[in-house]
Amino acid sequence: AQSVAQPEDQVNVAEGNPLTVKCTYSVSGNPYLFWYVQYPNRGLQFLLKYITGDNLVKGSYGFEAEFNKSQTSFHLKKPSALVSDSALYFCAVRAESRFTGGGNKLTFGTGTQLKVEL
Amino acid sequence: DVKVTQSSRYLVKRTGEKVFLECVQDMDHENMFWYRQDPGLGLRLIYFSYDVKMKEKGDIPEGYSVSREKKERFSLILESASTNQTSMYLCASSPTSGGYNEQFFGPGTRLTVL
Repeated sequence: AQSVAQPEDQVNVAEGNPLTVKCTYSVSGNPYLFWYVQYPNRGLQFLLKYITGDNLVKGSYGFEAEFNKSQTSFHLKKPSALVSDSALYFCAVRAESRFTGGGNKLTFGTGTQLKVEL
Repeated sequence: DVKVTQSSRYLVKRTGEKVFLECVQDMDHENMFWYRQDPGLGLRLIYFSYDVKMKEKGDIPEGYSVSREKKERFSLILESASTNQTSMYLCASSPTSGGYNEQFFGPGTRLTVL
């Protein structure tokens, strides 16, 4: 079974400071990892994904994430936070599979509320 | 851009009613999903479909059923709504090719069962 842990329910950071939202995962085999963001009363928006290759993945809105296989982590980062980054962030994982059917099922974490203050 | 639409943003129903939540995607995706989102629990998969008329149970299928008669449309049905089904419901779709594609989400339906 695959699982994702987001250990922090909420992260507070001052505007202009770097931010990190943590994610650890458990999966059999190689992982495919995703980050999504949700603004109030909206659906989830895709930010970035790690499939293979470079451990540092760059995504939308200046976000990036670092894949660390030995620590089974995929932390989301941004060098300089904006008030407009305040939202709910979800990490998700699925196992690598040659079977491309079966719906590309993802397992999501419980979410981390990011609050960026002036 | 991929567009996933859901029939209602807000819905209020009474206990025991039959409830239909509709989802439509316009990108010819093979896979479609229904999740519910509850505070502190994240997203939990109810059902998914990887082809027309094909469906598989997710992690919490009890009390729900689904229908996929056309590729672009995936319906979630609450046969007899109960108060513990009050939640935010999210629909998503993704293509099969490549095997590692992200899912695209609709805006969500906030369902309240009284």
